[in-house]
Amino acid sequence: GQQLNQSPQSMFIQEGEDVSMNCTSSSIFNTWLWYKQDPGEGPVLLIALYKAGELTSNGRLTAQFGITRKDSFLNISASIPSDVGIYFCAGNIYGNKLVFGAGTILRVKS
Amino acid sequence: GAVVSQHPSRVICKSGTSVKIECRSLDFQATTMFWYRQFPKQSLMLMATSNEGSKATYEQGVEKDKFLINHASLTLSTLTVTSAHPEDSSFYICSATSGHEAFFGQGTRLTVV
Repeated sequence: GQQLNQSPQSMFIQEGEDVSMNCTSSSIFNTWLWYKQDPGEGPVLLIALYKAGELTSNGRLTAQFGITRKDSFLNISASIPSDVGIYFCAGNIYGNKLVFGAGTILRVKS
Repeated sequence: GAVVSQHPSRVICKSGTSVKIECRSLDFQATTMFWYRQFPKQSLMLMATSNEGSKATYEQGVEKDKFLINHASLTLSTLTVTSAHPEDSSFYICSATSGHEAFFGQGTRLTVV
């Protein structure tokens, strides 16, 4: 079945640094979504991407939908302590069914 | 974004008992909801697709008689873990889709003792 390869698995960065994570797949997706999950909570939608090549920003977050529709990246600029959490990419295949990446654990050192 | 409410957030039950988890879409109607299971530090694993007014569709390896799903209205889906065992202890999360975006409930931490 479809799989998303998300990297890196984890990051431990200094506050103020920029962060970049990405997801790739062998399959084409219609929509790419990026979520953040805090411990003990459900994932919260950060950015949704609908068109190949689309570049979208949400505050300090920027994400792009790859031109081949098989990849996406998420950048976080000037990280702050509250950015800590697990970030998931997700691809929408059909019937609004999502396939998730394995997640990137982000830790920020003050 | 749209709001999905899940209840309870935490539940502890004895082995052999059943537990019901509710998932509600608060400001939109959802003909389809999804139920996930998540182990610590792992990604979300889709268990089943809940369809309003019809039977749920279960992913391979998920026992439909153990995880009963009911989607009786456009705003409510329930997951019942029947005859729970300690290995059923996990974090269960529901989601509902508005447009092409999926919104998640807060999750339910189930502990079976």
